[in-house]
Amino acid sequence: DQQVKQNSPSLSVQEGRISILNCDYTNSMFDYFLWYKKYPAEGPTFLISISSIKDKNEDGRFTVFLNKSAKHLSLHIVPSQPGDSAVYFCAASALKGNEKLTFGTGTRLTIIP
Amino acid sequence: ETGVTQSPTHLIKTRGQQVTLRCSSQSGHNTVSWYQQALGQGPQFIFQYYREEENGRGNFPPRFSGLQFPNYSSELNVNALELDDSALYLCASSSPGRREEVFFGSGTQLSVL
Repeated sequence: DQQVKQNSPSLSVQEGRISILNCDYTNSMFDYFLWYKKYPAEGPTFLISISSIKDKNEDGRFTVFLNKSAKHLSLHIVPSQPGDSAVYFCAASALKGNEKLTFGTGTRLTIIP
Repeated sequence: ETGVTQSPTHLIKTRGQQVTLRCSSQSGHNTVSWYQQALGQGPQFIFQYYREEENGRGNFPPRFSGLQFPNYSSELNVNALELDDSALYLCASSSPGRREEVFFGSGTQLSVL
């Protein structure tokens, strides 16, 4: 049972344009969401997070939007840079669940120079 | 770069053997979680240790076991290795209530032949 889904395995975006990565979840108990960036043979690196009491959080070029009614979140990267090329994972946690992270399967983002 | 360190970085074992992976948590963090990331998948939660006690477990068999030490470092032990145990094993360090601070090590790449 995949509780966190990233339906796009890959995405290619021109440098300077906006990258939009999507994530859907099914568990209503999830109340905190995180995005991680990962390079091969390295651990995930934290990018940005959002609590379920908010619908938007912004940090520099990265913005995460949360639509609780649709159980959907998205990560916007603007402008996209070549260094953004990596695999992006969406993760979710529930306060009443020892805050363990449930991850999606990832989206490979390629920025085209 | 996080303060979470894992050893070894790579390991090759044969089916039926036993393996121990190690993790040192970030300073100030008292919780360690272990994740298994198979090729092409997102990390899957194995278990979590908080103050030297197991604090939640994912869908993994009992041959996956762990320990946490008074300095909050941790070990993951896997007995009777199977071919499907080949994966990247990730350690994450955190503290309860500080949900944006979940930092991962670079992982141990385990290959079972």
